[in-house]
Amino acid sequence: DIVLTQTPLSSPVTLGQPASISCRSSQSLVHSDGNTYLSWLHQRPGQPPRLLIYKISERFSGVPDRFSGSGAGTDFTLRISRVEPEDVGIYYCLQATKFPHTFGQGTKLEI
Amino acid sequence: EVQLLESGGGLVQPGGSLRLSCAASGFDMSNFAMSWVRQVPGKGLECVSAIKNSGKTYYADSVQGRFHISRDDSRATVYLEMNNLKGEDTAVYYCASPYSVWGQGTLVTVSS
Repeated sequence: DIVLTQTPLSSPVTLGQPASISCRSSQSLVHSDGNTYLSWLHQRPGQPPRLLIYKISERFSGVPDRFSGSGAGTDFTLRISRVEPEDVGIYYCLQATKFPHTFGQGTKLEI
Repeated sequence: EVQLLESGGGLVQPGGSLRLSCAASGFDMSNFAMSWVRQVPGKGLECVSAIKNSGKTYYADSVQGRFHISRDDSRATVYLEMNNLKGEDTAVYYCASPYSVWGQGTLVTVSS
């Protein structure tokens, strides 16, 4: 199975300041179709996860442009340009290139 | 409105069975793969099973041979049949149309 390792696991942040989370894969996430199916999701307590970014850098509908994704191959990053109060929660990276789809351990973003 | 609604969770004894259902609305489920993702309270996410729109199925090693996923596109519903349940299967089970649409989850508790 593909293992995704996120760093840091916990990130204290300051409102209005940037934040970033790294996700490293145990193998390349490039699919045979040429796409890289690496996504980022955000989960608030008591809520299901919500998709933020797919295919490394594509923002999902309704996601603010302060969220951006980058990377290639095995190394990926989620950046928040200016942290807002509603951004607290846990962020997960997810690979859907190869079954079983796997998630990173999660990074807790706290003010 | 695009929506997934899970049902069928509950308390079951070890060795027992449950059948989860996930009803899709607001989009044509037949065009998409569907997944079941579980989360032990306070822990991370695990994709336990998925089914492509072709009908091809996938299972995590932890549930292989015990869980069975199926879909009925005419009813816009995906199912997860869970057999020989163990304590470690206790979790909230989410249905997802990978991975842009998620249900609210249904809690499965395996305990005597």
